[in-house]
Amino acid sequence: DQQVKQNSPSLSVQEGRISILNCDYTNSMFDYFLWYKKYPAEGPTFLISISSIKDKNEDGRFTVFLNKSAKHLSLHIVPSQPGDSAVYFCAASGANSGGYQKVTFGTGTKLQVIP
Amino acid sequence: DSGVTQTPKHLITATGQRVTLRCSPRSGDLSVYWYQQSLDQGLQFLIQYYNGEERAKGNILERFSAQQFPDLHSELNLSSLELGDSALYFCASSVSLTGGSEQYFGPGTRLTVT
Repeated sequence: DQQVKQNSPSLSVQEGRISILNCDYTNSMFDYFLWYKKYPAEGPTFLISISSIKDKNEDGRFTVFLNKSAKHLSLHIVPSQPGDSAVYFCAASGANSGGYQKVTFGTGTKLQVIP
Repeated sequence: DSGVTQTPKHLITATGQRVTLRCSPRSGDLSVYWYQQSLDQGLQFLIQYYNGEERAKGNILERFSAQQFPDLHSELNLSSLELGDSALYFCASSVSLTGGSEQYFGPGTRLTVT
């Protein structure tokens, strides 16, 4: 049961344009959502997060939007730069049956920014 | 550099064998997570420890076990290895248990089972 889905395995964008990465989830109990970036041969690195009580969070060129009714979030990168080329993972956090937070990752979207 | 270290970086072993992967969390982080990433797959959560106690369990096989020691380092033990266990294994740490806490990932251990 894939509770966090990233339906686009890859995305190509021209440098300077906007990159939009999408993520859908099924569990309405998730209360935090996070985006991680991963370069080859490295571990993922945290990018930005959003609480379920917000609908937008911005950090420099990165903005995450949350639509709770649609169970959908998106990561916008403006303007896109070649160094943004990486795999982006969406993650969602919610309490498990024991009351502790458990994080579920999506399968990732490979972003290529073309110079 | 995330501050999370994992050893070894690469491991090649045969089916049926047992291996131990080691993780040292970032200084001050009490929570440790283990993930498996198979080819073309996302990060599959395996298990989480907080200050020495197991706190959450994901899709971890019975052949796999983990523990977190008093000095907060953690080990993931994989036994009766099968070809399908070949994957990247990541360890991550965070300062707390709250859902919004970002996790800091190590560089991973690449396990190849032949």
